[in-house]
Formats: sequence, C-alpha cells, structure tokens
Amino acid sequence: GNSVTQMEGPVTLSEEAFLTINCTYTATGYPSLFWYVQYPGEGLQLLLKATKADDKGSNKGFEATYRKETTSFHLEKGSVQVSDSAVYFCALSDSNFGNEKLTFGTGTRLTIIP
Amino acid sequence: GAGVSQSPRYKVAKRGQDVALRCDPISGHVSLFWYQQALGQGPEFLTYFQNEAQLDKSGLPSDRFFAERPEGSVSTLKIQRTQQEDSAVYLCASSYQGRDTQYFGPGTRLTVL
Repeated sequence: GNSVTQMEGPVTLSEEAFLTINCTYTATGYPSLFWYVQYPGEGLQLLLKATKADDKGSNKGFEATYRKETTSFHLEKGSVQVSDSAVYFCALSDSNFGNEKLTFGTGTRLTIIP
Repeated sequence: GAGVSQSPRYKVAKRGQDVALRCDPISGHVSLFWYQQALGQGPEFLTYFQNEAQLDKSGLPSDRFFAERPEGSVSTLKIQRTQQEDSAVYLCASSYQGRDTQYFGPGTRLTVL
C-alpha cells in the first residue's frame, strides 16, 4: 500500500536559518505529492504540490521537487521566519477510480526562535 | 468566501454514547472526504463521497462508524457506542472534483471518557 515517511521532529531553528524537512514515499502508481501546513489553532492548509516527476512546487518561499528516482519530496526554505512555526505534513494521493484520498506522514513540528 | 465548516468543534462523550459530527463543504464541491487524526499523528483516511454516493469507505475502522451525505452537500459522520480509542480530531475536506486541491475544515475534537 501507499505510505509516507517524514523526518521526525520537533525541529527547532533560529530565524533566517536554512530549513530541510525530509519526506520519502511508497506508492503503487504515479502519485501527486503535497506539503500541508497546520499553524497553531488553525486547520490544515495546502502549502505546495507537484503532480509529476521533476515538477517543483513552491509557495511562500518554500520549495519541494518531486524526485521519482529517490521517491522523495523534501521541503526546503532558504531563510525561515518565526511565522513559519507550525506542523508540516507530507502527503500523497494516488488516484483510485478518481478517489484522490490523501495518505499523510506523521508530521514534523517546526519551531523558529528569534 | 466560506470555507469548510464543521460542528461541533469539540465534543465530549461518555463511553457507549452515540455521536454525530457535521461537515458543511464548500458550496459546489463534488468530492468530500473524512479523515481521523490521532494525537501526534497525521490524518488517516476514513471515507469518500462523490456527490451523495459513498464510493470508498475502506478506512472506517469498524461498523460502529457510519457516514452519509444524502443530498450531496452536508455530510454527517456518526459513531455508535463510542470507545476511548475513538478519541481523535475528525477532519472533513472537500474538493471541486476528486483530483483538485482538498480544502480542510477546522476539525471536531472528540474526547471519549
């Protein structure tokens, strides 16, 4: 079956540091890949996505590249801010009769200190 | 515009009670998903609707869980004879079509005592 493995947290960084959160996946088909973010007290929000190999998703300074050869979709940001403190979830969807249900990783809690 | 809304936001139930959780998807969204998120874990798929048809219920953990979407808009997740292991946040998400971005509601936090 499908699965997502992501870097365990919590991760604590200083403001303006470089961020990488690792994510690898296992899927039977050709999945789409996602990063969702959950800010304190808020619901899950889509951060970025990529739908095919070598695609790069980007949003709010975050980037992730769909690497089929390494089955990875690592999240990166060059200079983090305090406002980036949140829980980040890597996820995939593997269409089954049009059902794009998401399979999530366990989440990585990120804390940025000023 | 209005996003996905869920009610109640918090629910405390005694073991053995039945509960009903409501989801109001974004207007016009065809697809609706329910997920269960245990503490410290990622959401896990429960069930999927396309309009009023429940096309996938493979994630429902037991026959105590039941979901419906009778008119293709509002959906209700019902849990009968709640158990402590049912304690979790229940998330609803909707999308225009199955392949589009899923928009999540704030969730209902269920605590079973």
